[in-house]
Amino acid sequence: GQQLNQSPQSMFIQEGEDVSMNCTSSSIFNTWLWYKQEPGEGPVLLIALYKAGELTSNGRLTAQFGITRKDSFLNISASIPSDVGIYFCAGQLPSGSGGSNYKLTFGKGTLLTVNP
Amino acid sequence: ETGVTQTPRHLVMGMTNKKSLKCEQHLGHNAMYWYKQSAKKPLELMFVYSLEERVENNSVPSRFSPECPNSSHLFLHLHTLQPEDSALYLCASSQDWGRAHGYTFGSGTRLTVV
Repeated sequence: GQQLNQSPQSMFIQEGEDVSMNCTSSSIFNTWLWYKQEPGEGPVLLIALYKAGELTSNGRLTAQFGITRKDSFLNISASIPSDVGIYFCAGQLPSGSGGSNYKLTFGKGTLLTVNP
Repeated sequence: ETGVTQTPRHLVMGMTNKKSLKCEQHLGHNAMYWYKQSAKKPLELMFVYSLEERVENNSVPSRFSPECPNSSHLFLHLHTLQPEDSALYLCASSQDWGRAHGYTFGSGTRLTVV
């Protein structure tokens, strides 16, 4: 099946620092998604990307859909303690007839710890 | 309030027990999903229901049995589980099957098999 390589596995940073994480794949995806999961909760969608080269921001978060469609990165600027959690990338490509049904493939996640 | 509610939040069961996980969504979505989340592994899709019909079954052992009585409710029936089945089980829903940006996850059930 499809696999996503997400790095780094974990990060320990100081409050105020910028953060960068990325996902790569050997397969082409039509959609890239970034989720955040806080302790004791399910993943929550942060940013969705639909076009190669697309750069999208959500507050202090910025994500890009790689030109090759095989990678994506997420940046967090000026980190704060509430940014702690696990960040997942996910890629989606069409499967089944008519391209109307899609499989979502997740990375293993990046655990972010922010020291105040 | 995420719109997807899972119960129980925590469950400890013996290998000979039978238990069920429940998921309920109040979002009017047509598709519901079960995922397994294990430490240091990607989320694993287990089952997909679209309009109450099972449309995806990713080689999941028969000791896991899903049930979708209506578009708002999804169950995962468990019996004779193994310790390696201990994980966080997440339910999700979306407007239609595969609408990635519309996935809403529940908070999960933390399952421990002893």
